[in-house]
Amino acid sequence: QKEVEQNSGPLSVPEGAIASLNCTYSDRGSQSFFWYRQYSGKSPELIMFIYSNGDKEDGRFTAQLNKASQYVSLLIRDSQPSDSATYLCAAPDNYGQNFVFGPGTRLSVLP
Amino acid sequence: DAGVTQSPTHLIKTRGQQVTLRCSPKSGHDTVSWYQQALGQGPQFIFQYYEEEERQRGNFPDRFSGHQFPNYSSELNVNALLLGDSALYLCASSLVSNEQFFGPGTRLTVL
Repeated sequence: QKEVEQNSGPLSVPEGAIASLNCTYSDRGSQSFFWYRQYSGKSPELIMFIYSNGDKEDGRFTAQLNKASQYVSLLIRDSQPSDSATYLCAAPDNYGQNFVFGPGTRLSVLP
Repeated sequence: DAGVTQSPTHLIKTRGQQVTLRCSPKSGHDTVSWYQQALGQGPQFIFQYYEEEERQRGNFPDRFSGHQFPNYSSELNVNALLLGDSALYLCASSLVSNEQFFGPGTRLTVL
């Protein structure tokens, strides 16, 4: 059974700082990972995904994947109060059709 | 271009009752997946529908059933409701694997 683990937080960072969110996974065969942002009471929205080892940047967001260590992270540069949300890490399930989600990390950016 | 829509937004039921939740996929999408998200947890995969058939199922009891219509819309039915069924029910639609777009969700409360 594939598992995705995250620290539930809350993670508090000051405005303008870098927020670092981490995720580990159990299935060494996992090939891709997805980061979703979920505001309180809302549905998850896709931020970015990563397939390859290394870094992938999109605006203020950088996803990092280390398959050897089985962890994936999301960095948010110049954090803003509007970034305050729960961040969900997800990996495709064994059939590749749907997602196994971690419990999410709650991020709070303090003004 | 309409995104994924779900109805109703909120629902209150009592134990033992039955409930039907509805989802219309994003325009052009033919696959619908349902997830249950309990408070403070990540979404858990219930099942996926494609071509009006259940293609994949997560670890949920038979009390959870679904249907997909020729226009790709879908229903989730839950029988004999339990208190533990209280959650946010999310529908996600896709055309290709892993690119799932979530609807706003239906908040179900079982009393």
